[in-house]
Amino acid sequence: QSVLTQPPSVSGAPGQRVTISCTGSSSNIGANYDVHWYQQLPGTAPKLLIYGNSNRPSGVPDRFSGSKSGSSASLAITGLQTEDEADYYCQSYDRSLSGSVFGTGTKVTVV
Amino acid sequence: EVQLAESGGGLVKPGGSLRLSCAASGFSFNRYSMNWVRQAPGKGLEWVSSISGSSSSIYYADSVKGRFTISRDNAKNSLYLQMNSLRAEDTAVYYCARVPLGGDFDHWGQGTLVTVSS
Repeated sequence: QSVLTQPPSVSGAPGQRVTISCTGSSSNIGANYDVHWYQQLPGTAPKLLIYGNSNRPSGVPDRFSGSKSGSSASLAITGLQTEDEADYYCQSYDRSLSGSVFGTGTKVTVV
Repeated sequence: EVQLAESGGGLVKPGGSLRLSCAASGFSFNRYSMNWVRQAPGKGLEWVSSISGSSSSIYYADSVKGRFTISRDNAKNSLYLQMNSLRAEDTAVYYCARVPLGGDFDHWGQGTLVTVSS
């Protein structure tokens, strides 16, 4: 079961800004472990979108940004585009589980 | 170019066994932790297991502990997952992923489907 909680869905019009929250606890995000974000397009493997809370891998547009505060983190998408329709997952490490944990996932819809 | 390619998935009966493989190329395999992540049909991502570069540190999710065994062969640049006592709830696409020191899953394979059904 996921220990990181995300909203099931968010939507926005093209060009708008949307944010996805990721809420953890004192054994993962709150314990100062980094948060990472992934984008999963339909029928494909997840792709790293943000690492180390706020860093973008080469090739990821600067429309995507990440932040972390306390036991939570957020992913923001500005200038929403139709190709951003996908599932998004946060991920961190949990010291009580001695392993990685993923968020529940958020489906982004461009309306 | 980093490449990860899983194989070994298929249909297996409850209680059966299966061994997944992940062939790695394009990087110094022995320098990285490798992980397995699974995704049940229509569901989210679930971390399954991790193994350090030297195989000295191995961890499992509670849902598979005692049934699954992760291993690696650095000479063959390969990662494995031996799955025993399979259950219907183990049905999923299984991905192997590279994990650098920062803890992110920076490269993923295309996945292999495991279906546990009678």
